[in-house]
Amino acid sequence: GDSVTQMEGPVTLSEEAFLTINCTYTATGYPSLFWYVQYPGEGLQLLLKATKADDKGSNKGFEATYRKETTSFHLEKGSVQVSDSAVYFCALSGPLMNRDDKIIFGKGTRLHILP
Amino acid sequence: EAGVAQSPRYKIIEKRQSVAFWCNPISGHATLYWYQQILGQGPKLLIQFQNNGVVDDSQLPKDRFSAERLKGVDSTLKIQPAKLEDSAVYLCASSLALSGSYNEQFFGPGTRLTVL
Repeated sequence: GDSVTQMEGPVTLSEEAFLTINCTYTATGYPSLFWYVQYPGEGLQLLLKATKADDKGSNKGFEATYRKETTSFHLEKGSVQVSDSAVYFCALSGPLMNRDDKIIFGKGTRLHILP
Repeated sequence: EAGVAQSPRYKIIEKRQSVAFWCNPISGHATLYWYQQILGQGPKLLIQFQNNGVVDDSQLPKDRFSAERLKGVDSTLKIQPAKLEDSAVYLCASSLALSGSYNEQFFGPGTRLTVL
């Protein structure tokens, strides 16, 4: 079945460091890919998305590119801030043509940014 | 625009007791989802409603879990009786149900359940 695998945390970085959180997926067809973020005490929020191969999603300085050839959707940010400390979830859902909007989440990666 | 509302935010019960969670989706959102998020894992879909009908409840443990959305707006999720392994955060999400377009899901803050 469809699944998402992301790097285990916690990931601890100093402020202004470069961030990469790896994510790979297994899916039939052409899924849509997402990164969600969960700040302490809050619900999940969509951070960025990509709906087809080679699309780049971006938001708040974060980027991820849909790589069909490597089935990956790695999250990157050039200079992290303390306020980026949160849990990040990679996720996928079925292709729109099948109207399958069920989301499958990875296990999450906790990110700690030190001042 | 108001977000997805959930209550209570926290609940502590003993095993074999019953508990209910409430969710009010974003106004106009036809689709409502309940997820279970066990500590250290990603959310897992329990049940999905389209208006007041069930679209997918394949992952819902029906011997103890039930959910309803009688008027197609707010929803309740019930556990009866609770087990220790039900300790988790229960997330509610909602989305528009537009045909042929991407339906972003908006999540509530969740209810953290502890079963002792």
